[in-house]
Amino acid sequence: NAGVTQTPKFQVLKTGQSMTLQCAQDMNHEYMSWYRQDPGMGLRLIHYSVGAGITDQGEVPNGYNVSRSTTEDFPLRLLSAAPSQTSVYFCASYRTKDYNEQFFGPGTRLTVL
Amino acid sequence: GQQVMQIPQYQHVQEGEDFTTYCNSSTTLSNIQWYKQRPGGHPVFLIQLVKSGEVKKQKRLTFQFGEAKKNSSLHITATQTTDVGTYFCAGLFNGEYGNKLVFGAGTILRVKS
Repeated sequence: NAGVTQTPKFQVLKTGQSMTLQCAQDMNHEYMSWYRQDPGMGLRLIHYSVGAGITDQGEVPNGYNVSRSTTEDFPLRLLSAAPSQTSVYFCASYRTKDYNEQFFGPGTRLTVL
Repeated sequence: GQQVMQIPQYQHVQEGEDFTTYCNSSTTLSNIQWYKQRPGGHPVFLIQLVKSGEVKKQKRLTFQFGEAKKNSSLHITATQTTDVGTYFCAGLFNGEYGNKLVFGAGTILRVKS
């Protein structure tokens, strides 16, 4: 039981490049979220999903796309990377709509030059 | 918008001293969760408080939820070096279109031995 896994751990992009951050969970959780963490700003919700085929925007969705074709996977796509997207990205999964315990992945540290 | 304010931003204590971090919301929360993030790590769930005035303890950690369900605190008695990290609160707001979890900015705890 690996929990929540994320790849890659580190990534450096040039402005304008696109890429996909991968997230997978093996706990059969219906709900999954993507957060970004910046110094002094806590965790901000980018997008979330309440089940396969259902996604919605969070607090800071601009510049990011998501899809949820299976319960296990929830990839985050950066369409055209910008330096403002330099951050640490965390994926999380949880069992119920009232969140209860969120399980976080190890994170992806992204730098956009 | 819905915000959760957390203070202090930093706390540097001598080992054995107590530590407290506080969270406040301008609107009533459905519940509040607390997470700990070790340096270089990912957030790990500590506890969830749901009821007005609720108090829960985990060894040296005491969590409180205010009577109005708008504020919460985490108190650590006799800090140890293993307590080092960032402590986040996260408030759950009930909305018309679903629940929204909003994180505070976190309190960074450093412990001098």
